[in-house]
Amino acid sequence: NAGVTQTPKFQVLKTGQSMTLQCAQDMNHNSMYWYRQDPGMGLRLIYYSASEGTTDKGEVPNGYNVSRLNKREFSLRLESAAPSQTSVYFCASSEHGGNQPQHFGDGTRLSIL
Amino acid sequence: EDKVVQSPLSLVVHEGDTVTLNCSYEVTNFRSLLWYKQEKKAPTFLFMLTSSGIEKKSGRLSSILDKKELSSILNITATQTGDSAIYLCAQANAGGTSYGKLTFGQGTILTVHP
Repeated sequence: NAGVTQTPKFQVLKTGQSMTLQCAQDMNHNSMYWYRQDPGMGLRLIYYSASEGTTDKGEVPNGYNVSRLNKREFSLRLESAAPSQTSVYFCASSEHGGNQPQHFGDGTRLSIL
Repeated sequence: EDKVVQSPLSLVVHEGDTVTLNCSYEVTNFRSLLWYKQEKKAPTFLFMLTSSGIEKKSGRLSSILDKKELSSILNITATQTGDSAIYLCAQANAGGTSYGKLTFGQGTILTVHP
């Protein structure tokens, strides 16, 4: 019973490189989310997808793009990585928006040099 | 802008102590208040609170919401070293384009010494 799976778990990039973080859930959830977590700042929402085919900006979307590939998968792309994007990234999903709690993946620790 | 504030930011106790963690929110479109526990990796869900004054309980953990004071507390009794974690509270929005979005507080780092 995997829940929410994120790949990769760790990544080191150089400034200016691009990469895509992958997220997949097997709970048949409608809504998916991407957060970043920095020390002392809790979790901040980057982008979310309320349902398949829709995406919306969260609190800190600059420098990121997302794709809701299908109901299971929601990817986050950094087009030109910057040191300020060094963080731990979490993907989450929920059955339907705010009615149910969100379930989180184990995170991707991303360092940008 | 919605804002969720937790206090204290960190807390060190000994096994057997009782702790109370606080969460306050200021939001115009409130739906629910959630508590999560984060150890090494993923935050794990503890409680979802939607009604004021109704305590939710799970073992040694309990939580209650006060809509009048726009706040919630998380109590942990007879703490154990396994309770050491970051405790996050989050407010979920009710409707419109913000439906389902969570706004998190900074988290409280709880350390329980043997």
